[in-house]
Amino acid sequence: AQKVTQAQTEISVVEKEDVTLDCVYETRDTTYYLFWYKQPPSGELVFLIRRNSFDEQNEISGRYSWNFQKSTSSFNFTITASQVVDSAVYFCALSEVSNDYKLSFGAGTTVTVRA
Amino acid sequence: DAMVIQNPRYQVTQFGKPVTLSCSQTLNHNVMYWYQQKSSQAPKLLFHYYDKDFNNEADTPDNFQSRRPNTSFCFLDIRSPGLGDAAMYLCATSRDLRTGNEQYFGPGTRLTVT
Repeated sequence: AQKVTQAQTEISVVEKEDVTLDCVYETRDTTYYLFWYKQPPSGELVFLIRRNSFDEQNEISGRYSWNFQKSTSSFNFTITASQVVDSAVYFCALSEVSNDYKLSFGAGTTVTVRA
Repeated sequence: DAMVIQNPRYQVTQFGKPVTLSCSQTLNHNVMYWYQQKSSQAPKLLFHYYDKDFNNEADTPDNFQSRRPNTSFCFLDIRSPGLGDAAMYLCATSRDLRTGNEQYFGPGTRLTVT
């Protein structure tokens, strides 16, 4: 069963629009970690954020913000005022104690920002 | 400065000809991972080393092997590459295994099998 679901396969926006990427996860662990990674066309996966299951505080980093809601098992990611450089594939991932902390990736969402 | 380095960035090999991909890290992390990523898919974990302890994923084909001669280096050996092994191979590191540390990825090696 898929542990991480990223329902949006592709999103296309015009520069300066906001874009929200959905991530829904499934786990029975009480201790787990959630991540977002960015994969630009160059191929390297870039770490964006790590959240543990006990910290539901939302976080903002520049134009990026994350909304973690345990009640709905969601960890959504918003890019505000998108730029062409934000064009990439974004992966949400889950790390569980019961899975030796290995990363379970979602299928990824391809974001295209048009000038 | 690059922290996880993979060489080469592009590798072409012939069907059945052994190939070795290289990964090195300057982070002094205990854990090193190898992932396979095919087009439009998420990365798939092949195996990882926690220090010198090797951990193979259950569904990793025997054709894939790995070596970690020291903390800094890790190699992926594909003994007899098939056309289906053409993919991007990503190396990653993390400081430790049991605390949910983030993984840092290298730029990947894109393998083509002809």
